[in-house]
Amino acid sequence: EVQLVESGGGLVQPGRSLKLSCAASGFTFSDYNMAWVRQAPTKGLEWVASISYGGSNTHYGDSVKGRFTISRDNAKSTLYLQMDSLRSEDTATYYCARGRIFDYWGQGVMVTVSS
Amino acid sequence: DVVMTQTPVSLPVSLGGQASISCRSSQSLVHSNGNTYLHWYLQKPGQSPQLLIYRVSNRFSGVPDRFSGSGSGTDFTLKISRVEPEDLGDYYCLQSTHFPDTFGAGTKLELK
Repeated sequence: EVQLVESGGGLVQPGRSLKLSCAASGFTFSDYNMAWVRQAPTKGLEWVASISYGGSNTHYGDSVKGRFTISRDNAKSTLYLQMDSLRSEDTATYYCARGRIFDYWGQGVMVTVSS
Repeated sequence: DVVMTQTPVSLPVSLGGQASISCRSSQSLVHSNGNTYLHWYLQKPGQSPQLLIYRVSNRFSGVPDRFSGSGSGTDFTLKISRVEPEDLGDYYCLQSTHFPDTFGAGTKLELK
């Protein structure tokens, strides 16, 4: 069974950093591109970043480019999102999702940016 | 960026009835490899999104055949026949032909 489990969320002050993790199981992690998608409270879905299966290619949404870094450790079957210079508008539930079609999603982790 | 215009915003339906959701893109979603990367998701209340349809018309594993997707180029439709209680929630289209991937704003399917 495919499982994606996010962790690392919480309350953080504006300007500070946070690192999210997504532990994958039930499939060969190194065979799949992976992505982060977020959803602000009561809002729709926003794609944040994607990474190729080997980790050499990354893409970012304009709203996070230069502040967030997506990475992966295929030996640990884990996806990461390093979030720096956080802003209040980054407050959202962050989901990791598998592949280019986002066929499986994690349960999500809440990030609240507030002083 | 490709803008995905999804309509309607809210769709009241009766159980057993039919629903239709439209998604239009600001440019063609046909990739240079000939595929069209337009997908549909359902987010039930309090849950993560789940994939329903991928690449326009392919039902994901376990998705009932009451769900069907169609369209081409810039104009796409998700149809739900014989609506059941578990179909209620927020529906989103997603294009992943062009970076950045972009979602439609969502359609809330609710009981009439």
